[in-house]
Amino acid sequence: EAQVTQNPRYLITVTGKKLTVTCSQNMNHEYMSWYRQDPGLGLRQIYYSMNVEVTDKGDVPEGYKVSRKEKRNFPLILESPSPNQTSLYFCASTPQGAPTDTQYFGPGTRLTVL
Amino acid sequence: KQEVTQIPAALSVPEGENLVLNCSFTDSAIYNLQWFRQDPGKGLTSLLLIQSSQREQTSGRLNASLDKSSGRSTLYIAASQPGDSATYLCAVDSFPLQGGSEKLVFGKGTKLTVNP
Repeated sequence: EAQVTQNPRYLITVTGKKLTVTCSQNMNHEYMSWYRQDPGLGLRQIYYSMNVEVTDKGDVPEGYKVSRKEKRNFPLILESPSPNQTSLYFCASTPQGAPTDTQYFGPGTRLTVL
Repeated sequence: KQEVTQIPAALSVPEGENLVLNCSFTDSAIYNLQWFRQDPGKGLTSLLLIQSSQREQTSGRLNASLDKSSGRSTLYIAASQPGDSATYLCAVDSFPLQGGSEKLVFGKGTKLTVNP
């Protein structure tokens, strides 16, 4: 089944404890991105990647890192999480090297930072 | 800077009613516009994608229109059903004329409830 998977789906952690949220797609898509969704603010892009080894900042990259060592995986890294990073996170992918196509979203990761 | 607005923020209708959701955007320099559905606790599902050169797209009971010059799109849902209850998000694939990369800009969504 063609899909985008994220792990974990739910995570409660404490301030400063490094964490990684994994994202994987099995559709051989070139473009992948991370969003966070907050009440009243909607979906905002954190980072995106147009292809392997090519990543760039979105609208709200502060406090996050990403890597794209292989086409299928695009992990989101929080080196020192803070409470303002409590949010619902989505990974998405599209076939082309740009968002100019149907976006496929993962199921989301709900992160709580205490 | 591209801004996307969806009105109303919430809508409640009886089953069987035809309804329209609205989306407006401030910058007409777009590649396409997409409508998504989001169910509680779940990810987004793409419903319709309209390229900037198109006027509308249809899928089953859904019809989306695009008027790029006026910065508006509508999602029409015919004969609504309780299973249509969800949050509907509009997103514009925008390229900033002042520089920067192409990206999706989302509205905050319209929460639809269809009552049996």
